[in-house]
Amino acid sequence: QVQLQESGPGLVKPSETLSLTCTVSGGSIGSFYWNWIRQPPGKGLEWIGYIYYSGSTNYNPSFNSRVTISVDTSKNQFSLELSSVTAADTGVYYCARGDRIYFGLWGRGTLVTVSS
Amino acid sequence: DIVLTQSPGILSLSPGERATLSCRASQSVSSSYLAWYQQKPGQAPRLLIYGASSRATGIPDRFSGSGSGTDFTLAISRLEPEDFAVYYCQRYGGSPRYTFGQGTKLEIK
Repeated sequence: QVQLQESGPGLVKPSETLSLTCTVSGGSIGSFYWNWIRQPPGKGLEWIGYIYYSGSTNYNPSFNSRVTISVDTSKNQFSLELSSVTAADTGVYYCARGDRIYFGLWGRGTLVTVSS
Repeated sequence: DIVLTQSPGILSLSPGERATLSCRASQSVSSSYLAWYQQKPGQAPRLLIYGASSRATGIPDRFSGSGSGTDFTLAISRLEPEDFAVYYCQRYGGSPRYTFGQGTKLEIK
């Protein structure tokens, strides 16, 4: 079955760029919306943005221009870059497959800590 | 922005009891665009209900969703030990495209 796996550094310094990759296995990256969602420690869920398999994107305005999501269909991967991070960006980052309206499949999540 | 407010924040019940969780939207939401998730400690959320009342694949029929407009409900008919978790509602549409409620923690009494 289709599985998602996040990967990337677990520690990022303040003001630097957080970079994560989600690898899709067991199926094609085509025909779905590929999302990043985060969860600060002990708090709720916050949608960051998505990329459609064709390359079109939609981001949460609360991230302003800090976020970029890209896709590499040849590798069955999509990626997140979040620039100028602060301690408030610390949390578990999930990748998730969206069926436009809801999120039907999630990765296990990866903890990213922003600290010097 | 449409805000989703879940209540109660914490619900304490015993196994075998019925749970009723509320999700209220600050503006009307199409029923087609409302979903519920379950999250257990250390795990990713899992889709339970989509379209306000349709169960996702593999979800037991003790879970049911209902509601329309601004008021939506997730009910669990008879609580099993594995049902104690945090539950989130989520809506699609507008800006930002997706928002979540703040969650209801269902704990064992």
